[in-house]
Amino acid sequence: DVKVTQSSRYLVKRTGEKVFLECVQDMDHENMFWYRQDPGLGLRLIYFSYDVKMKEKGDIPEGYSVSREKKERFSLILESASTNQTSMYLCASRSGTSGDTQYFGPGTRLTVL
Amino acid sequence: AQRVTQPEKLLSVFKGAPVELKCNYSYSGSPELFWYVQYSRQRLQLLLRHISRESIKGFTADLNKGETSFHLKKPFAQEEDSAMYYCASEEGGSQGNLIFGKGTKLSVKP
Repeated sequence: DVKVTQSSRYLVKRTGEKVFLECVQDMDHENMFWYRQDPGLGLRLIYFSYDVKMKEKGDIPEGYSVSREKKERFSLILESASTNQTSMYLCASRSGTSGDTQYFGPGTRLTVL
Repeated sequence: AQRVTQPEKLLSVFKGAPVELKCNYSYSGSPELFWYVQYSRQRLQLLLRHISRESIKGFTADLNKGETSFHLKKPFAQEEDSAMYYCASEEGGSQGNLIFGKGTKLSVKP
């Protein structure tokens, strides 16, 4: 059974703090993704990575960066957290095969005060 | 840019009634299409995908290339079907990126 785990379920940070969200998958998937989920806006892709050290901007990359040093781990970094980054953050992984399932982590609810 | 449209933000039906969640896509080729579901306090998970031609929990979805639609249907809704449903299309020529719709919240009333 594929497991995608995220480092925290709930996180509270202050404006201006640097925030690290970590994601680990155990299925040797090439592709990993970071989304934010907001009511009425659905899932919005922040960044994705299709290989170690590779990254691509998604739809809303501003204010975020990512790191993928190992295949199983994909980190999302908020360099200087702002209140409008309060959201649910979802990590996901998927193989590179067309039609394959995308697996999601449980999410991290981030509140920036 | 490729888009997936779910026109209804909220759909409310009574238990036992038929339900149809609408999804339209914009890709001109032959996309791989999926329905994902998120039950309360659970992670987002795959419900079904076009490539498998399967029925899961009584739900089916048929690809209509003429209408570029992939509507999700169930003949008799159950209260446990209440959840958030997302339609997704595999991005053409991508490394595996999925394009998600904004989601439809299904509420099944007793």
